[in-house]
Amino acid sequence: DAKTTQPPSMDCAEGRAANLPCNHSTISGNEYVYWYRQIHSQGPQYIIHGLKNNETNEMASLIITEDRKSSTLILPHATLRDTAVYYCIVRVVSTSGTYKYIFGTGTRLKVLA
Amino acid sequence: GAGVSQSPSNKVTEKGKDVELRCDPISGHTALYWYRQRLGQGLEFLIYFQGNSAPDKSGLPSDRFSAERTGESVSTLTIQRTQQEDSAVYLCASSPLGGTSYNEQFFGPGTRLTVL
Repeated sequence: DAKTTQPPSMDCAEGRAANLPCNHSTISGNEYVYWYRQIHSQGPQYIIHGLKNNETNEMASLIITEDRKSSTLILPHATLRDTAVYYCIVRVVSTSGTYKYIFGTGTRLKVLA
Repeated sequence: GAGVSQSPSNKVTEKGKDVELRCDPISGHTALYWYRQRLGQGLEFLIYFQGNSAPDKSGLPSDRFSAERTGESVSTLTIQRTQQEDSAVYLCASSPLGGTSYNEQFFGPGTRLTVL
């Protein structure tokens, strides 16, 4: 299964862009990259996903390198409420055709006032 | 509408006892996942149900762990002869029909299991 590697922690000033990197060098061609975040004591929350093109939604942007071995989640204007653990995940397809999500240990983002 | 619910929210048990954790997915969601999250750690995949397909049990850590799901509704995760190492938050997630690129998981609040 493809695995992800993320820095354990990052700080970001409020109002600035937060750029969270992720390495997934063993990703296969049909495996999507997903990002979730987990605010203390809550279940993870979906942010964004992509395959090979860059993606943007109301929460964030996802930049995937051309070789798909790494990606960056961008929160354009971080707020204090964005303080959370951010997980970069690869969705793999098992031999039976079912989906499985491989979570890494995540990056603990702290937004500073 | 209602989200994913889990019960109990907290469970304290003695080593060696069996526990059952329940997950009620969002109505109409065909896929259901169970994860384990130890303190300060990431999520660890346990098991995945998709419609009537055979479940993916590849993440279950031992034969003390089992899970069932009735159709596309409630799921129960059972841990037999609990050990202190089983102490963790057990998270359930459901998602709409798989097979498409968009397959967002909706997570429940989790069950915090403490084995004394």
